[in-house]
Amino acid sequence: EDKVVQSPLSLVVHEGDTVTLNCSYEVTNFRSLLWYKQEKKAPTFLFMLTSSGIEKKSGRLSSILDKKELFSILNITATQTGDSAVYLCAVSAGGFKTIFGAGTRLFVKA
Amino acid sequence: EPEVTQTPSHQVTQMGQEVILRCVPISNHLYFYWYRQILGQKVEFLVSFYNNEISEKSEIFDDQFSVERPDGSNFTLKIRSTKLEDSAMYFCASSGTGHYGYTFGSGTRLTVV
Repeated sequence: EDKVVQSPLSLVVHEGDTVTLNCSYEVTNFRSLLWYKQEKKAPTFLFMLTSSGIEKKSGRLSSILDKKELFSILNITATQTGDSAVYLCAVSAGGFKTIFGAGTRLFVKA
Repeated sequence: EPEVTQTPSHQVTQMGQEVILRCVPISNHLYFYWYRQILGQKVEFLVSFYNNEISEKSEIFDDQFSVERPDGSNFTLKIRSTKLEDSAMYFCASSGTGHYGYTFGSGTRLTVV
């Protein structure tokens, strides 16, 4: 059965800290791994990763994929209170469906 | 920035009733999806739709559910004979290609009482 596992489930940090969120997966016919940020309602797209070892970066956020070890990390440096959200990892695998992990709930204290 | 629009934002219905959730995907997108998220749980895939037909569906998407693209812009999810456990946030999403990042709508919160 395809699965996506995220850790930790929740995390509390102080502003300015750096955090690393983890995502491991076991799927057939891997196509891509996606990171989303979910605040109040809809997930918003952060990154799509398809190749190992190539870092994607957007401001203070960055992510990398390891297709051999079947995991990805999402790093957030110099965290701000606005980074507080649930971060979702999802894998597009065979066919058209995308499998989501349970998410990591990040709370950044001022 | 283009967005996926869902209506209504919140729907309350009685058990056993039929509901139709509506979505307007991004205009040049070709792939459409419905997902649901029961409160406190994972986002779950329901169905994908391409070229006017269902391309894939999950075990959740049984005979109670149907999707339709009645015109060139709308994409609907119909739930027949709703049950209490259908209460969830339903997200519509669309993408230009089939396997990469989606744009999600803001969701419809369905409450079955």
